[in-house]
Amino acid sequence: AQTVTQSQPEMSVQEAETVTLSCTYDTSESDYYLFWYKQPPSRQMILVIRQEAYKQQNATENRFSVNFQKAAKSFSLKISDSQLGDAAMYFCAAHGNKLVFGAGTILRVKS
Amino acid sequence: DGGITQSPKYLFRKEGQNVTLSCEQNLNHDAMYWYRQDPGQGLRLIYYSQIVNDFQKGDIAEGYSVSREKKESFPLTVTSAQKNPTAFYLCASSIVSYNEQFFGPGTRLTVL
Repeated sequence: AQTVTQSQPEMSVQEAETVTLSCTYDTSESDYYLFWYKQPPSRQMILVIRQEAYKQQNATENRFSVNFQKAAKSFSLKISDSQLGDAAMYFCAAHGNKLVFGAGTILRVKS
Repeated sequence: DGGITQSPKYLFRKEGQNVTLSCEQNLNHDAMYWYRQDPGQGLRLIYYSQIVNDFQKGDIAEGYSVSREKKESFPLTVTSAQKNPTAFYLCASSIVSYNEQFFGPGTRLTVL
């Protein structure tokens, strides 16, 4: 069975600062993908970043980057230069034989 | 514009009635999915389909049914057997399994 754990129910960050959201996962699949999705108040799920497990290099998308530690089964998301529009619920997800989501982390951005 | 549409955005039904949620995509994706989201929780998979006329149960399929007669459409029926149907329902699609899933705007179902 696959599991995804997000241990931080809520996080806060000052505008322009950096914040890291934690995620750990467990899967028996040898080939899998990891994702971070953002869900703003509109509730539309938006893909933030994607990481293939076979790639050692950490994925980066503009201000968003991940720290992928395969042996530790850890997949954290770093948001640099935080903006007010980054405020949302963030979900970590793992796709082995199916896509499994964590419970989410609410990110608040203070101006 | 390519995308996924779900209708209606809000749906109210009386207890004991079946209700069908619509999901349409024009992305030419083979795979489609239905998720349920409860307050403060992540998404849970109800059903998924990787090809027309074929679908599989997810983690919480009891009380739900689906059909996949066309590639573009994957409607979800919430039956009276579903004990607690009030929730936010999200439809998604992907090119194939393993690829990132693209989500519709969701339907908020409230059973009175």
